[in-house]
Amino acid sequence: DVKVTQSSRYLVKRTGEKVFLECVQDMDHENMFWYRQDPGLGLRLIYFSYDVKMKEKGDIPEGYSVSREKKERFSLILESASTNQTSMYLCASSLGTAGNTEAFFGQGTRLTVV
Amino acid sequence: AQKITQTQPGMFVQEKEAVTLDCTYDTSDPSYGLFWYKQPSSGEMIFLIYQGSYDQQNATEGRYSLNFQKARKSANLVISASQLGDSAMYFCAMREDRGGATNKLIFGTGTLLAVQP
Repeated sequence: DVKVTQSSRYLVKRTGEKVFLECVQDMDHENMFWYRQDPGLGLRLIYFSYDVKMKEKGDIPEGYSVSREKKERFSLILESASTNQTSMYLCASSLGTAGNTEAFFGQGTRLTVV
Repeated sequence: AQKITQTQPGMFVQEKEAVTLDCTYDTSDPSYGLFWYKQPSSGEMIFLIYQGSYDQQNATEGRYSLNFQKARKSANLVISASQLGDSAMYFCAMREDRGGATNKLIFGTGTLLAVQP
């Protein structure tokens, strides 16, 4: 079974802090994604990566950065957390980006910025 | 730009009845894939079904089927014989398959389905 693991289920951080959200997958997938999920807005893509050290901006990259130093690990970084970044963050991975290659998701990290 | 639209924020269905969840999409790419995911109240995302843009037949997976109307750019999910355990949020998603590495997967806003006994 593919497993995507996010390092924390719940996080509370202070405004202005630097926040790291970690995601690890164990199936040698090339592609990894970070989304945030907000009520009424669905899942919005923040960043994605198709290879080590490669990254692409999604639809809402402002205020975020990412790091992919190893194939299995994709980190989302909030350089200076703000209250409007309070949200559920979901990491996903997929084997390829064509055909029936479904994305597998982690359990989510609920981040609260106070 | 690719876009997914789910116009039904919430729906009710009686147990054992069929229900259709709407999804329309927009893309200029001839090659793409469409996905449906289920998110129960526990939060995990569960893959349900996939339809490729060149697939001749509508996809089916058990009680799930995808009503794919390419000309209308719609990819509605049909759940037959609804069960109480089908109560969840349902997301439609799309990925343009451009043959390169930068194919992002985008989601709609979701439909919350409540199955009533």
